[in-house]
Amino acid sequence: SQTIHQWPATLVQPVGSPLSLECTVEGTSNPNLYWYRQAAGRGLQLLFYSVGIGQISSEVPQNLSASRPQDRQFILSSKKLLLSDSGFYLCAWSRGPTSADEQYFGPGTRLTVT
Amino acid sequence: LAKTTQPISMDSYEGQEVNITCSHNNIATNDYITWYQQFPSQGPRFIIQGYKTKVTNEVASLFIPADRKSSTLSLPRVSLSDTAVYYCLVGDKLTGGGNKLTFGTGTQLKVEL
Repeated sequence: SQTIHQWPATLVQPVGSPLSLECTVEGTSNPNLYWYRQAAGRGLQLLFYSVGIGQISSEVPQNLSASRPQDRQFILSSKKLLLSDSGFYLCAWSRGPTSADEQYFGPGTRLTVT
Repeated sequence: LAKTTQPISMDSYEGQEVNITCSHNNIATNDYITWYQQFPSQGPRFIIQGYKTKVTNEVASLFIPADRKSSTLSLPRVSLSDTAVYYCLVGDKLTGGGNKLTFGTGTQLKVEL
């Protein structure tokens, strides 16, 4: 069966510090990968998606970046965090590129920027 | 990309049927309609998906009219554990590949005794 991991589960970082969140998927190959952010009391905002190694598309311009160094690894980074980067970050994967393909979400990382 | 609107919140009691309607006026021909459930501090979980007419699974039904500009998620005999946020969304194939699912603000369902 397939599983998706995210770490850390929670993170408190000062403004201006760097960020690295990691997501890995097991039990499948060549997944489509996604990073979402959810601000408090808000819906989910798609940040980045990837259809293959080294292929990253950004949906929202900001101080965040993403990388996919391996087939089943997706990393979200920032060089300098802003207060507005606080939120619940979710990684997800899907088997295919169509809207009919279900997305499976990880447990999330709660980021608080102080 | 199609955008969705749905009520911000709904209240119900245990044992009742709950219907949550979503409007997606700009749905494209190839868009599927998907509903997700999210509990606090967890990732959304797939509930049901459909393209047209009616779809039913073990937890819900999804009704889609002929024009596909709206859809209704029906939860039969809700319980306290159904208290969650429910997201309707439509997907579209991204230019660069992949499947973009844009989540709206969702509907907070509160079930009481």
